[in-house]
Amino acid sequence: DQQVKQNSPSLSVQEGRISILNCDYTNSMFDYFLWYKKYPAEGPTFLISISSIKDKNEDGRFTVFLNKSAKHLSLHIVPSQPGDSAVYFCAASELDSGNTPLVFGKGTRLSVIA
Amino acid sequence: EPEVTQTPSHQVTQMGQEVILRCVPISNHLYFYWYRQILGQKVEFLVSFYNNEISEKSEIFDDQFSVERPDGSNFTLKIRSTKLEDSAMYFCASKLERNEQFFGPGTRLTVL
Repeated sequence: DQQVKQNSPSLSVQEGRISILNCDYTNSMFDYFLWYKKYPAEGPTFLISISSIKDKNEDGRFTVFLNKSAKHLSLHIVPSQPGDSAVYFCAASELDSGNTPLVFGKGTRLSVIA
Repeated sequence: EPEVTQTPSHQVTQMGQEVILRCVPISNHLYFYWYRQILGQKVEFLVSFYNNEISEKSEIFDDQFSVERPDGSNFTLKIRSTKLEDSAMYFCASKLERNEQFFGPGTRLTVL
């Protein structure tokens, strides 16, 4: 039962262009969403998050958009840089409980080509 | 910048043996987690720990698994009798309150 889905296993983007990574979820109880970046042999690194009371959150080159009615979120990276090449995981949780675990998608491997 | 640390980075063990994976969460954090990622699959939740007790656990976290915070800084995951299918990357994570979890670099467990 995939509650968080990342349907694109991989994405290639030219350096300087926009990278758009997509994520869908099925559990309507989710109200907090996060994006993590993972390099090989390292743990997931937190990038950016958004709660369900917002539809957009921006941090430098990274912007996350949330469409609650469609149960869809996306991560935009502008401009993309070669160092952004990594696996990006979408994760979701129920914010109400402080110890609620994260539910992860399978990840999208982003390759930024110089 | 404070970070979550994990030891060892790689553990090789024989099937049926006990292993203990160690984590040092960020010092002022209150919630602690273990996740695992089998090769090629998604990161899966195992257990969460708060106020010195397990607060939630997944179906994966059966009687073979246990967690402990023995001394106020370390957070350990014990697998009593390892199976081949326990081979995975095990990630520890911690957080302060209702915000993002910070992950350690992981321990690669190989069960032969």
